Amino acid sequence: GAGVSQSPSNKVTEKGKDVELRCDPISGHTALYWYRQSLGQGLEFLIYFQGNSAPDKSGLPSDRFSAERTGGSVSTLTIQRTQQEDSAVYLCASSLRAGYGYTFGSGTRLTVV
Amino acid sequence: GQSLEQPSEVTAVEGAIVQINCTYQTSGFYGLSWYQQHDGGAPTFLSYNGLDGLEETGRFSSFLSRSDSYGYLLLQELQMKDSASYFCAVRTGTASKLTFGTGTRLQVTL
Repeated sequence: GAGVSQSPSNKVTEKGKDVELRCDPISGHTALYWYRQSLGQGLEFLIYFQGNSAPDKSGLPSDRFSAERTGGSVSTLTIQRTQQEDSAVYLCASSLRAGYGYTFGSGTRLTVV
Repeated sequence: GQSLEQPSEVTAVEGAIVQINCTYQTSGFYGLSWYQQHDGGAPTFLSYNGLDGLEETGRFSSFLSRSDSYGYLLLQELQMKDSASYFCAVRTGTASKLTFGTGTRLQVTL
């Protein structure tokens, strides 16, 4: 597609429920990244994909967080047993070359109540 | 690990010039990038410096000194629409993610 598409744009969930966040990167971009941003804060790295493999998943905060990428394209970030501290904007970005010229999606605003 | 420091807030008058500094401490360095983020929006790529010196793109310029682990973003002829947060980010490996600073909130006033 023309840009990075994320869905849903907003998600309100009850504490303890599982959520799935989707990212559709720019066609041909082999590198894909997930970050999260709490209100007024910087961007916290979660995981990086090169193709379908994840050479760096060092930012995932706990084993409740997982992500996969299929077909070198769409990625899904799953948060199990959500907690209130998981509330944030989850941003996905893709790039042609790793670490350069990211294009970000508009993000998913997750609210855990 | 990686750490980046930038001022939390900067205020400047419309039409003026403002410089946003970024210092970094990293294990490995492959380039410094700058991103702009308006409130409620996604970060957008502004510039990249892989080598020392100045890169100019319209009203925006970015500078890097690798020996000083320092860079800055220079915004000229400020406009109200430049009010946003600006993030520096470093790449520390040939195939690695970016690590972002905490951001500088720029407010442009009349």
